[in-house]
Amino acid sequence: DIQMTQSPSSLSASVGDRVTITCRASQSISSYLNWYQQKPGKAPKLLIYAASSLQSGVPSRFSGSGSGTDFTLTISSLQPEDFATYYCQQSYSTLPFTFGPGTKVDIK
Amino acid sequence: EVQLVESGGGLVQPGGSLRLSCAASGFTFSSYEMNWVRQAPGKGLEWVSYISSSGSTIYYADSVKGRFTISRDNAKNSLYLQMNSLRAEDTAVYYCAREQPAVRGVIITSYYFDYWGQGTLVTVSS
Repeated sequence: DIQMTQSPSSLSASVGDRVTITCRASQSISSYLNWYQQKPGKAPKLLIYAASSLQSGVPSRFSGSGSGTDFTLTISSLQPEDFATYYCQQSYSTLPFTFGPGTKVDIK
Repeated sequence: EVQLVESGGGLVQPGGSLRLSCAASGFTFSSYEMNWVRQAPGKGLEWVSYISSSGSTIYYADSVKGRFTISRDNAKNSLYLQMNSLRAEDTAVYYCAREQPAVRGVIITSYYFDYWGQGTLVTVSS
């Protein structure tokens, strides 16, 4: 199975900060990488698919980049509603579509 | 509006069984592949099972293989997860999720879960 790692595991940031989260796959996954946001007690929400495509309705301050094994989720200007946990997910080849361990973004 | 609504969770003793349901509406259910994903308390997301749109192709995570059975009824717009021989480590919120391919021209560039249900809690404890 393909293993996913994320860094950092948590971070503290202020409103307006630029935030970058990194996801790394244990082997090349081309662009088969998605990003989800999850708030406490809620279901995950799709933000980015295919490494860099913004899901409809998601604010443009969210962006994704990367290919192969290294990927990045960037929030250009952190807003109060962005404090949440972020997960990457690979969907390369056959299942399982493994998730990263998550990055918790909280208020500094 | 796309909606996925899970039900069937609850408290069950180790070794017991439970059947989860996911009612879909707002889209042509029979055209989409579906998945179950779970999340243990305070933990991350774990993919559990996949079923193709027709139900002919099924996959399971190693952790549930031989104990869980995924199925669907396209006439009823419903997805199911039959869970047998439950263990304490199966305690989690279970989500159903719709799968979509990302297509650029004629090339698939990813598969992703674009809609999720609200989840149903399964607690395995004596």
